[in-house]
Amino acid sequence: KNQVEQSPQSLIILEGKNCTLQCNYTVSPFSNLRWYKQDTGRGPVSLTIMTFSENTKSNGRYTATLDADTKQSSLHITASQLSDSASYICVVSAKGITGGGNKLTFGTGTQLKVEL
Amino acid sequence: DVKVTQSSRYLVKRTGEKVFLECVQDMDHENMFWYRQDPGLGLRLIYFSYDVKMKEKGDIPEGYSVSREKKERFSLILESASTNQTSMYLCASSSPAAVYGYTFGSGTRLTVV
Repeated sequence: KNQVEQSPQSLIILEGKNCTLQCNYTVSPFSNLRWYKQDTGRGPVSLTIMTFSENTKSNGRYTATLDADTKQSSLHITASQLSDSASYICVVSAKGITGGGNKLTFGTGTQLKVEL
Repeated sequence: DVKVTQSSRYLVKRTGEKVFLECVQDMDHENMFWYRQDPGLGLRLIYFSYDVKMKEKGDIPEGYSVSREKKERFSLILESASTNQTSMYLCASSSPAAVYGYTFGSGTRLTVV
């Protein structure tokens, strides 16, 4: 069964500090991995997407890493801001066999709160 | 930018009512999806469609149906709403290969009383 597990479940950090969120997956056959940011009461917004051959991808203060051998990914947030407070969701895509294309498996998210 | 619009942000319905959740996308995407999101469970796929009038069951289709009469519109129908369908419902769309990922709507928070 395809699964995506994220840790920690929740995290509180001070503004300006860095943090790293983890994602472990057992999804096969692997297609790509995405990190989404979801503000409270809103839909998820894509931060990064990585395929099998990519180890690192950055989007501003967000840097995602992927180790396809160990099936782990991390999302590093640098110099956190209050607006970074949100849920961060790891989504792994398995290559699909139907016309619908790839099938996504979602993690349950890490709830990040940035405080003054 | 792709925009996925869900018709309602908040809905309150009574048990047994028929409920329609509407989703419209403006980028000519072939694929459209309906998910529900519950605390501790993440997003779960209800139904998806990869073409007009085509639909496929996701992981939790029971109690739901969908309609895709036009490419830009994908409707989720709760035939007889129940309290266990209280949830956040998210619509998404993508191109066939989803190279640029999925674009999500803002969500509809449905409460069934």
